[in-house]
Amino acid sequence: QVQLQESGPGLVKPSETLSLVCSVSGDSISGYYWTWIRQPPGKGLEWIGYIHYSGNTNYNPSLESRVSISVDMSKNQFSLRLSSVTAADTAVYYCARDKVIPVAGNYFEYWGQGTLVTVSS
Amino acid sequence: SYELTQPPTLSVSPGQTASITCSGDKLGDKYVFWYQQKPGQPPVLVIYQDTERPSGIPERFSGSNSGNTATLTISGTQAMDEADYYCQAWDSATGVFGGGTKLTVL
Repeated sequence: QVQLQESGPGLVKPSETLSLVCSVSGDSISGYYWTWIRQPPGKGLEWIGYIHYSGNTNYNPSLESRVSISVDMSKNQFSLRLSSVTAADTAVYYCARDKVIPVAGNYFEYWGQGTLVTVSS
Repeated sequence: SYELTQPPTLSVSPGQTASITCSGDKLGDKYVFWYQQKPGQPPVLVIYQDTERPSGIPERFSGSNSGNTATLTISGTQAMDEADYYCQAWDSATGVFGGGTKLTVL
């Protein structure tokens, strides 16, 4: 069974960079798309972006200037970096593995449990 | 940017049919996915590609998509179906979620 686990600091200061890692077990990173999604407390879901195992990325235009997603095949992990954070970036951050449906597009098949990141001084 | 609109709340009695709508410009030209989220848990896919149900999802969940509106229908709603539901689509390779609908079963 595929399992994903997010890890990283739970508290980040304003203007600094948020960094999270998603560790994948039960399958290889190779061959799939990997996604980050976030959810502010009490609010809805926001798609952040995805990375293909080959390294190709696609980001939400609203975050594109601040976000970077990378993959480390040797560690079976992928990572999220979000720069210049503000309180508005406080959220539960989820990592997920995509399932590709030709023509229809990807859906998010496996999810981590999520990790809360609070932006505060 | 593309937007998907859902009613914030919906209440239904047990055994009745719940219909959760998701509206967007020419949404029928896109494929819609629906996720169920219970408190403290990550979302779970309940419908993909407008109408398809993943394995393990009960038959009472169904979907449709036409014109500007997609609909998630839960027939014979059960107490365990109480959750937040999110529609999602792709617009120019960007993932877009609706704001979510809190379904209350009472």
